[in-house]
Amino acid sequence: NAGVTQTPKFRILKIGQSMTLQCTQDMNHNYMYWYRQDPGMGLKLIYYSVGAGITDKGEVPNGYNVSRSTTEDFPLRLELAAPSQTSVYFCASRRSQGVSGANVLTFGAGSRLTVL
Amino acid sequence: QQQVKQSPQSLIVQKGGISIINCAYENTAFDYFPWYQQFPGKGPALLIAIRPDVSEKKEGRFTISFNKSAKQFSLHIMDSQPGDSATYFCAAPISSGSARQLTFGSGTQLTVLP
Repeated sequence: NAGVTQTPKFRILKIGQSMTLQCTQDMNHNYMYWYRQDPGMGLKLIYYSVGAGITDKGEVPNGYNVSRSTTEDFPLRLELAAPSQTSVYFCASRRSQGVSGANVLTFGAGSRLTVL
Repeated sequence: QQQVKQSPQSLIVQKGGISIINCAYENTAFDYFPWYQQFPGKGPALLIAIRPDVSEKKEGRFTISFNKSAKQFSLHIMDSQPGDSATYFCAAPISSGSARQLTFGSGTQLTVLP
C-alpha cells in the first residue's frame, strides 16, 4: 500500500517553462488536494477535488491548473513558471469529509520546485 | 480569508520538558481539529485530532486541549524527546465551495535538546 505518491521529488525550471506535478493515490479516496508550503507560511491550498471530474479552486490557484480524470490521479499543471512558484508542493487525499477518526488527510512526500 | 493563528513560530525545549503550542481560529465548520507533525524532507502526518464536543484528548505523551468558547486549542507534549524535534501544524476545518477544507497554521518548529 503506497499511499500518496508524488513525482518528481525535485525539479528546476526556467522562467516561462511548463511542467506537471504528478500525484496518485491507491487508497480509493474521493477527496484530493494540492498544497504549497513556503518557509514560515504553513500550507496553502491551491486546488482540490471531491471526485473524478470535479475540481475547485483553493486559496492560491493563480498560475496553476488541475484535472481529475480518475479517482487515483490528480496532476497539477504549471503553465508559465514564475519565481514566485518556487516552493514545496504537497498532494494529499482523504476518503470523505465526514467526521471519523480514520478520515484524515494523507500527504505525499512532496515535490520541491525551483524556478530560476 | 479564514485565519488560523499559531504560536510560537519556534520553540526550544530541554529533554523531559513540556512543549506547548497554541492555535486560535475564526469561524469554522463543526468537524475536527487536527495537529500534524512534519519531519524534514517528509510530508505532514496526522499526530492527534480532537472533536469540538470534548475539551481534552490524550494519546500517550501528546494532549490536545480545546476551548470552544475562546476558539482556541493547544498541543501539549509531555516528557519531550529529541525525536519529537519537528515542525507542528494545527489546522481548522472550513466550509468552502464543494467541500470542507483544512486551513493550516503557519507551523511551529520544535527543537528538543538532549
